[in-house]
Amino acid sequence: DTAVSQTPKYLVTQMGNDKSIKCEQNLGHDTMYWYKQDSKKFLKIMFSYNNKELIINETVPNRFSPKSPDKAHLNLHINSLELGDSAVYFCASSQGGNYNSPLHFGNGTRLTVT
Amino acid sequence: AQTVTQSQPEMSVQEAETVTLSCTYDTSESDYYLFWYKQPPSRQMILVIRQEAYKQQNATENRFSVNFQKAAKSFSLKISDSQLGDAAMYFCAYRTPYNNNDMRFGAGTRLTVKP
Repeated sequence: DTAVSQTPKYLVTQMGNDKSIKCEQNLGHDTMYWYKQDSKKFLKIMFSYNNKELIINETVPNRFSPKSPDKAHLNLHINSLELGDSAVYFCASSQGGNYNSPLHFGNGTRLTVT
Repeated sequence: AQTVTQSQPEMSVQEAETVTLSCTYDTSESDYYLFWYKQPPSRQMILVIRQEAYKQQNATENRFSVNFQKAAKSFSLKISDSQLGDAAMYFCAYRTPYNNNDMRFGAGTRLTVKP
């Protein structure tokens, strides 16, 4: 009955590999997000989708590509992984993209690139 | 651009005492929401409390309350009767409809609770 679920929870990989993180929400929300939390715990938005349409695309290397097959799913694919990509990646969702609606977060995926 | 500043990287409080975490924000918008999130060592992001900019009354959720000073652009979180389980990173966040409803976070304050 998890509201926002991400898989995998941990991901350890080598430089140059390609990896994906999956996210699913069962809250009926139509807006989903990817945030990156760096080693200093700073949270920065990467992408936002509303009803499968990309609405926020921050300055992120184009090695990162989000995909939203439907409004309940938002996946993140990362090509040619680099050491600096090591971080915790959070998926989140909210209702209707309304600014008064809090974000509901998944438990994060800790990505370690060696 | 909107920015959120948490000037206290770390704070500590004695169990059962009260602690206040500071947050200031910079915006030219009049319509926005403010939030406090808690991130315990489990890494989960938990909503603690939220405040609408148009409401003058400070929000309260059990032991958690805010002091919202709109003119000063200040949004502090007060935790009363601190418990060991309150130990966590606390993030202040700002959200406005004028920027695609993007939620911006401060750098966080690490709260330690001493028994």
